[in-house]
Amino acid sequence: EVQLVQSGAEVKKPGESLRISCKDSGYNFTSYWISWVRQMPGKGLEWMGRIDPSDSYTDYNPSFQGHVSISADESIGTAYLQWGSLKASDTAIYFCARHPYYGSSPFTWGHGTLVIVSS
Amino acid sequence: DIQVTQSPTSLSASVGDRVTITCRASLTFGSYLNWYQQKPGKAPKLLIHAASTLQSGVPSRFSGSGSGTEFTLTISSLQPEDFATYYCQQTFNAPLTFGQGTRVEIK
Repeated sequence: EVQLVQSGAEVKKPGESLRISCKDSGYNFTSYWISWVRQMPGKGLEWMGRIDPSDSYTDYNPSFQGHVSISADESIGTAYLQWGSLKASDTAIYFCARHPYYGSSPFTWGHGTLVIVSS
Repeated sequence: DIQVTQSPTSLSASVGDRVTITCRASLTFGSYLNWYQQKPGKAPKLLIHAASTLQSGVPSRFSGSGSGTEFTLTISSLQPEDFATYYCQQTFNAPLTFGQGTRVEIK
């Protein structure tokens, strides 16, 4: 069974940096995309971007490009979402999801990481 | 970018009712559409992929149809555990986009 294990909840101050992680416990980390999805409190799902762990190619939603960075470490089967300078509006749950390269590419989801940014 | 507009944004229904949720796309894209169910405090769960293929383990009262620009999720007989929020998602091209969500509430 595919399992994506995400890092724990974080409480940070505006301006601080943060990196959250998503570990794929399966055996084919480099055979699927890993995407990140934001869900702000009481709101819907927003796709932020994705990475191909086999070559670290990334694809960002223009709404998030420049504010976050997606990376992956193939050797430990882990993908990351990183901020250089957090804002209060980054308060949200962040889901990682694994999905195939082809077809309708349905998502298999991690459990989510809550990030709270507050002074 | 492909916009996906989901309707209604919320509905009230009773156990046993037939429920239909629609997703309309701004461009045609074949069957690159998935449906998810999300309950409060939980990650979304895949129900339907490729517009009409039922995900393994999902009850057969859920079905999907459509192609091109109009897609439908139908719950044939609503059960108590189906009260949740439902999202469509297009994966034809990036940025991948979700519908706004449909909240299904108890009448």
